[in-house]
Amino acid sequence: KAGVTQTPRYLIKTRGQQVTLSCSPISGHRSVSWYQQTPGQGLQFLFEYFSETQRNKGNFPGRFSGRQFSNSRSEMNVSTLELGDSALYLCASSLGLAGDQETQYFGPGTRLLVL
Amino acid sequence: DAKTTQPPSMDCAEGRAANLPCNHSTISGNEYVYWYRQIHSQGPQYIIHGLKNNETNEMASLIITEDRKSSTLILPHATLRDTAVYYCIVRESKGYTGNQFYFGTGTSLTVIP
Repeated sequence: KAGVTQTPRYLIKTRGQQVTLSCSPISGHRSVSWYQQTPGQGLQFLFEYFSETQRNKGNFPGRFSGRQFSNSRSEMNVSTLELGDSALYLCASSLGLAGDQETQYFGPGTRLLVL
Repeated sequence: DAKTTQPPSMDCAEGRAANLPCNHSTISGNEYVYWYRQIHSQGPQYIIHGLKNNETNEMASLIITEDRKSSTLILPHATLRDTAVYYCIVRESKGYTGNQFYFGTGTSLTVIP
C-alpha cells in the first residue's frame, strides 16, 4: 500500500497570504490528523477529521482550518499568514476506529516558510 | 492523556542494544503506550505499541512493567540509521470521539560507530 502523501513538500509565502496544504491518507483509512512542528513548540496537534467531520481540535487560532472530502483526502488552510506559522506541517492517517486501529501513520510533511 | 518523561538524549554503540526508557506514572487502564521515531525533518515513523503485554515486531521490542508505570523500547542491534528522536506516547482509546497523540520532547538517540 502507498503511504501518506502530502503536497506540496515545500512552500514559501509572505505575511498576510493564505496557504492550502493537501494530504492523501493510506487507502482505506478514514481518519486524518494534522500536526504543526516547530523547533520551539515541538509537535502540536491541530485537528482531526473522520468521515468528513472534524471530531477533535487542538488549541490553535481560527486562522487554521481544514476539511475532509468523501474520498478521505484532507486539506488544511492557514489564512493571514504570520512569521510564526513557519513550520513543518504533518499529516497522519489511521483507520479511525477504536483501540489498536487508531495507530497513526505520518506523511513526509510540508515545510512552510513565511517571509 | 497521561504525560510521559524521557531522557533528553542517549548514546549507543553500533551493534549493541539500545534501551530507551519512558516513565508514564499516571497511565490509566485503557491507555496504550506508543513509540514513534523521527529522523531529522522527516515525518514520525511508527515503531510499536502495546497495552499491557510485552510486544515485539521486526523493528523493536516493547517491555511494559507490570504496574504499567514505565516502559522500555529495545532496538536489539542498533545501526547508524537508528539515529533519531524517539517519542514515547501514552494514548487513550477514545473510540469514535477522537484520535490524538500528545508528543513530548522525546529522546535523541545517537548511534556511535
